[in-house]
Amino acid sequence: SQQGEEDPQALSIQEGENATMNCSYKTSINNLQWYRQNSGRGLVHLILIRSNEREKHSGRLRVTLDTSKKSSSLLITASRAADTASYFCATPQGGSEKLVFGKGTKLTVNP
Amino acid sequence: DAGITQSPRHKVTETGTPVTLRCHQTENHRYMYWYRQDPGHGLRLIHYSYGVKDTDKGEVSDGYSVSRSKTEDFLLTLESATSSQTSVYFCAISESAAGQGRETQYFGPGTRLLVL
Repeated sequence: SQQGEEDPQALSIQEGENATMNCSYKTSINNLQWYRQNSGRGLVHLILIRSNEREKHSGRLRVTLDTSKKSSSLLITASRAADTASYFCATPQGGSEKLVFGKGTKLTVNP
Repeated sequence: DAGITQSPRHKVTETGTPVTLRCHQTENHRYMYWYRQDPGHGLRLIHYSYGVKDTDKGEVSDGYSVSRSKTEDFLLTLESATSSQTSVYFCAISESAAGQGRETQYFGPGTRLLVL
């Protein structure tokens, strides 16, 4: 079952612009993770935000978490062509040991 | 990249034949996972392991079995391959389970399987 759902499904921007992706989830969580997948490669962990955190930064990445709205956003600032990839949010599934991934946002950064 | 390898990287097989995919890690992580990735479905969990000989089912386990006889190896077997099992298969590892502190998952490069 899908826990997180990303929005939009696809996003195309110009180099230098900011990219914002959103993730909504259904049940209470204690953390949320974002992953990146370049074409033909495995997923790579970007950032984890815990339920008691509202915002977290890592380089050009900014993640926010709003537990009242059950949503998170990933902002990539000053995007580069190398940021072209699919981005996935992932959340623990209802107290189990499993991580559930959304279907992803496909980001294209045009040079 | 974390020390995770998958073999084979590409495989073409025929319907009805058994297929085994191997995931090997050098990180000594306790948890290992098998996912499949299909257009429109994202990443779906097939089976996972929380220790040697300890495995459990995921969301899409029908038609698949797994075994883990050593910490470093996690095998996924398609007992009798079907065309619906054509997919990209990813192995992942983590130190702890989701929500338990060290739950970041590290992914292998994937195996592309085509069942004719």
